[in-house]
Amino acid sequence: DIQMTQSPSTLSASVGDRVTITCRASQSISSWLAWYQQKPGKAPKLLIYKVSSLESGVPSRFSGSGSGTEFTLTISSLQPDDFATYYCQQYNSYRYSFGQGTKLEIK
Amino acid sequence: EVQLVESGGGFIQPGGSLRLSCAASGFTFSSYSMNWVRQAPGKGLEWVSYITSSSGTIYYADSMKGRFIVSRDNAENSLYLQMNSLRAEDTAVYYCARDRPQGESDYWGQGTLVTVSS
Repeated sequence: DIQMTQSPSTLSASVGDRVTITCRASQSISSWLAWYQQKPGKAPKLLIYKVSSLESGVPSRFSGSGSGTEFTLTISSLQPDDFATYYCQQYNSYRYSFGQGTKLEIK
Repeated sequence: EVQLVESGGGFIQPGGSLRLSCAASGFTFSSYSMNWVRQAPGKGLEWVSYITSSSGTIYYADSMKGRFIVSRDNAENSLYLQMNSLRAEDTAVYYCARDRPQGESDYWGQGTLVTVSS
């Protein structure tokens, strides 16, 4: 099975900061990578799919890049609503798998 | 409006069984593959199972294989997860999620909590 590793596990940042979260796959997943945002007590929300495609309604300050085994999620200018936990997910194989999550905290 | 509503969670003793349901509305359920994903308290997301629109292809995570059975009733717009031989480590919120054709999960239910404890 494909293992997904995110870093960092926790990220402290301030409103207005630019932040980057990294996700590494244990083998190539081509471009079949998605990013989700989850807030406490809520279901995950799809932000980005196929590495860099922005889901409808998601602010343009979110962007994704990468290929093969290394991928990044960037938030260009953090807003108060962005403090949440972020997960990457591979769907290259139908045995989907998620990264362990990155909790974005207010500094 | 697309809606997914899970039900069937609750408190169950180790070794017991539980059947979760996911009621879908607002889209053509029979055209979409579906997933179950779970989240243990304070932990990350864990993929559980995948089923294609026609039930022709089904996958499970290794830790659930042989204990969990996913099924669907397209006439009833419903997805199910039969969970047997439950263990304490199966305690989690269980989400159903709709997959778009390329595989990303675009809609999720609110989740149903399963607690396995003696």
